[in-house]
Amino acid sequence: AQKVTQAQTEISVVEKEDVTLDCVYETRDTTYYLFWYKQPPSGELVFLIRRNSFDEQNEISGRYSWNFQKSTSSFNFTITASQVVDSAVYFCALSEFTGGFKTIFGAGTRLFVKA
Amino acid sequence: KAGVTQTPRYLIKTRGQQVTLSCSPISGHRSVSWYQQTPGQGLQFLFEYFSETQRNKGNFPGRFSGRQFSNSRSEMNVSTLELGDSALYLCASSFRGGIGRAGANVLTFGAGSRLTVL
Repeated sequence: AQKVTQAQTEISVVEKEDVTLDCVYETRDTTYYLFWYKQPPSGELVFLIRRNSFDEQNEISGRYSWNFQKSTSSFNFTITASQVVDSAVYFCALSEFTGGFKTIFGAGTRLFVKA
Repeated sequence: KAGVTQTPRYLIKTRGQQVTLSCSPISGHRSVSWYQQTPGQGLQFLFEYFSETQRNKGNFPGRFSGRQFSNSRSEMNVSTLELGDSALYLCASSFRGGIGRAGANVLTFGAGSRLTVL
């Protein structure tokens, strides 16, 4: 069965600190997608990144970077030099192909970045 | 390109009533998923529709139902409302393609419909 675990409920950092958000997933499929979404205080969920199960290449996009490791079933997200605008709830998500399209989300990690 | 539109944005109902929420996906997106978001349970998957067919369903009672029309617009209905149904209901549309297809399975969310049951 699908499962996404975000063990960190809340993280508080001071601006310019680096912060890593952890995500561990469970799936029986060999073909799947992993995602990170951001939900700012305004409320609307916004897509950040997608990885498919065949692509373990890590990615850096500006201050954001992602580390996908199939061996440990983890898909961690790092924000470098955090800013106050990064304050939001971040969700890790998993989408499988078996049984139709279904994306499930972790419980989310609330990030507070203090000035 | 217009985003995902959900109506109404806010509504208040009383126990026992029913409610219908509407979602208009991004043009060209044929997959529509519904989620319930609450502080205690997070984002819970309700169901997903593709080409007017429900392809997947979450663990919700039969009081929760949905449908999709030929223009991909979707509605969800909750009958016999309970206090615990108070939540933010989110709709998300997706271009559903095969693995490796750009944008495939990425969910674009609407702003949500906030339901309060009194």
